[in-house]
Amino acid sequence: GESVGLHLPTLSVQEGDNSIINCAYSNSASDYFIWYKQESGKGPQFIIDIRSNMDKRQGQRVTVLLNKTVKHLSLQIAATQPGDSAVYFCAEVYNQGGKLIFGQGTELSVKP
Amino acid sequence: DAGVTQSPTHLIKTRGQQVTLRCSPISGHKSVSWYQQVLGQGPQFIFQYYEKEERGRGNFPDRFSARQFPNYSSELNVNALLLGDSALYLCASSLEDEQFFGPGTRLTVL
Repeated sequence: GESVGLHLPTLSVQEGDNSIINCAYSNSASDYFIWYKQESGKGPQFIIDIRSNMDKRQGQRVTVLLNKTVKHLSLQIAATQPGDSAVYFCAEVYNQGGKLIFGQGTELSVKP
Repeated sequence: DAGVTQSPTHLIKTRGQQVTLRCSPISGHKSVSWYQQVLGQGPQFIFQYYEKEERGRGNFPDRFSARQFPNYSSELNVNALLLGDSALYLCASSLEDEQFFGPGTRLTVL
């Protein structure tokens, strides 16, 4: 079957620290992955994506790492801020943008 | 620019009833997808429509149906509601790979 899962359901960090959120996926045929942030009462918001021909991609304060050998994704957030508190999902894109397969999510809590 | 909009924001139904949820995509986006998000879980894919044609369907019963209109807006219909249909229903529109989500409709089935 298809599944994308997260190793940690909750993560609590101090403001200013770096955060790392992990994700395992099972469909080795997928070639595109996305990280989403979901705040309470809102829909998921795109953070960063990566294609399978890459192993690292950087954005503003965020970095996504992809390890295809062990089917593992991670999202690194530098200098975590209170506004980063949310649930983070990794998603596997299936069928060229049609279907997203989401994991359960990790709740990130940033302590001031 | 307006993002993806959904209506209504919240609604409460009883078991056995039918519900229609609405979604307006970002201007210029021709693809709309629907997801169900049960509390504490990630969204689950229900349907994708592109140019008014169903392009994909998730593992949901036939009680769930959808359609897309010429202006690319979309409706999701759920018949014979069950308690387990209580969830946040998300609509996403896309131009290419990236999907932009609306705020969702919170459906409660009593």
